[in-house]
Amino acid sequence: QVQLVQSGAEVKKPGSSVKVSCKASGGTFSSYTISWVRQAPGQGLEWMGRIIPILGIANYAQKFQGRVTITADKSTSTAYMELSSLRSEDTAVYYCARVVLMGFDPWGQGTLVTVSS
Amino acid sequence: QSALTQPASVSGSPGQSITISCTGTSSDVGGYNYVSWYQQHPGKAPKLMIYEVSNRPSGVSNRFSGSKSGNTASLTISGLQAEDEADYYCSSYTSSSTLRVFGGGTKLTVL
Repeated sequence: QVQLVQSGAEVKKPGSSVKVSCKASGGTFSSYTISWVRQAPGQGLEWMGRIIPILGIANYAQKFQGRVTITADKSTSTAYMELSSLRSEDTAVYYCARVVLMGFDPWGQGTLVTVSS
Repeated sequence: QSALTQPASVSGSPGQSITISCTGTSSDVGGYNYVSWYQQHPGKAPKLMIYEVSNRPSGVSNRFSGSKSGNTASLTISGLQAEDEADYYCSSYTSSSTLRVFGGGTKLTVL
């Protein structure tokens, strides 16, 4: 059974960057796709991008193009999401999720990123 | 504004059935059978309830069902139970460069 465990909460200054990790256990990491989804406080879900580790290919939502970088390290079964030029509106819980049968399952536990001066 | 439109809230009494709609366009919901639904309890990560419009993952109650007609997908929960009270989100593959879109979410209240 696949499990995704994310790194801990972060507090960042406006203009800085944050890198969140998502370590997978169970299954074959390089054979599946990992997506990143965020949720601002009291708001809905927002897809940010995905990576296909076996191909090393990443795709990003238009809204985040140029600010987000998603990578994967097959040797440690870990995916990463780095968001730069942070602003207060980026305060959110960031989730990783495996893509299976065109659905997201399972999800990581979420990582709260707070952007504040 | 979310790409897919859901009602902000729905409610029902225990034992009743409710339906949550999710309206998109021919570029997403209407164009592909890749609609999925998620349940999210407060402070928890979302959970996959339905994938590819109408399929239930192993372990999800058969009280949950999905369907689609044109550009609108629907999630129906029958025999409402107290533990069904949660937020529900739909998602679809889209032909735009942003590959996936979500609905704004629907808060289900079990009266």
